[in-house]
Formats: sequence, structure tokens, C-alpha cells
Amino acid sequence: DAGITQSPRHKVTETGTPVTLRCHQTENHRYMYWYRQDPGHGLRLIHYSYGVKDTDKGEVSDGYSVSRSKTEDFLLTLESATSSQTSVYFCAISGAQGVYNEQFFGPGTRLTVL
Amino acid sequence: GENVEQHPSTLSVQEGDSAVIKCTYSDSASNYFPWYKQELGKRPQLIIDIRSNVGEKKDQRIAVTLNKTAKHFSLHITETQPEDSAVYFCAASKATGTYKYIFGTGTRLKVLA
Repeated sequence: DAGITQSPRHKVTETGTPVTLRCHQTENHRYMYWYRQDPGHGLRLIHYSYGVKDTDKGEVSDGYSVSRSKTEDFLLTLESATSSQTSVYFCAISGAQGVYNEQFFGPGTRLTVL
Repeated sequence: GENVEQHPSTLSVQEGDSAVIKCTYSDSASNYFPWYKQELGKRPQLIIDIRSNVGEKKDQRIAVTLNKTAKHFSLHITETQPEDSAVYFCAASKATGTYKYIFGTGTRLKVLA
């Protein structure tokens, strides 16, 4: 599965608390992406990174921030979680060996905000 | 903005029949079109893709066709089997720059035994 892991896999938290999700990859992919998946909406891009310390917003970035201090890790932070951020979060990677188009997904994190 | 529409949202077929899922994209600069299969509780998995310089691509029982003029592409699954039951997502992307995907909203395929 392309050497990509996510942690935690499940999390329940309360409204207003900060939450950080981690995506870790072992195959030197240049690009990393965070998506959220909700019924009826498919997969929507939150933020992405095209290199260490290089990040940009996706289509649903409000309420989220990201950081990438090293190639293998991409962190997604919810500064103050809200119930509307209850979702399944997927990380994806691409760009190893010069193949940029194909994205490979991590196992996902199910986040519940009460 | 950029958009990908996917139809139908649900599809039920008898085992052995064919299934077709259709997507339409809005950005004429899109030139890479992957399809993902997602089983319940699992991650999306890339099953086939097509680039804009190709009209059709086939891999065993699955095929994808692309009509650049009409800006639509389709997934065809022949001789469906129960293990084909899953949610299928199409996406559109550009082959340069950020390589961001715009996903369709998914099709839940049920193959009835």
C-alpha cells in the first residue's frame, strides 16, 4: 500500500479542542494531500503539499491548517474542532520515481467531534 | 469552478451483466482521469486511468473511454462479479503543476448474485 500510514486511525474529541492528524510515508513522494470524505460529497481536497514547507489550500480549507517540516510527514490540524468536521480523513501521496499523476491513499482516520 | 459530475449515484446489476459509470468534467485543461474503487471501510484504490492522448484503455474486465470534445469519460465493467460491489469514484486532473484531483461524488455499485 505504497508505504503510507495515518495516525490515529480513530479519534473522538469534543467541540473546541485542537486535533492533529498525521500522515507518514516512506517512499519519498514529493506530493502529499489531505482529503475529507463525507456521504454525498465524495472526496474533497483540504490542503496539499508539493515539497517540504510548501503547502497550499484545497477546496475546503477553512478551519484546517497543515505543516510539512520533512518529506515523510504531513500534519493536518484542526485548531478548534467543530461538529461539521466529523468525517473520514484520507491522506494521499504522489510523485515517487517521477510519476506524479497517480495518487495512493492512506488507510484513513475516522474523526468524531461531539 | 472546476467540477466533476458522476452518474448514476447507485447502480444495481445482475452478476455477469455489464456496468457503466459516467463522468463529465468542466475544466478543458484536464488531461488525466483516474478511477478509484473503494470497498466498505477501506481506502480508495486506483483501478485504471486514462490520459487525454488516448481514447480508450482496457485492463481485463474493466475499460475506460474518454471523449475530450464532450468532456466526458466512462468506466465499463464487463462480466460483473459480487466482488465488484463497491463505491467507484472518477476524478479529473491536470498533468502539470499541482496534480490536484477533482473527484466525482461516487457511484455505489451492487452486483446481485
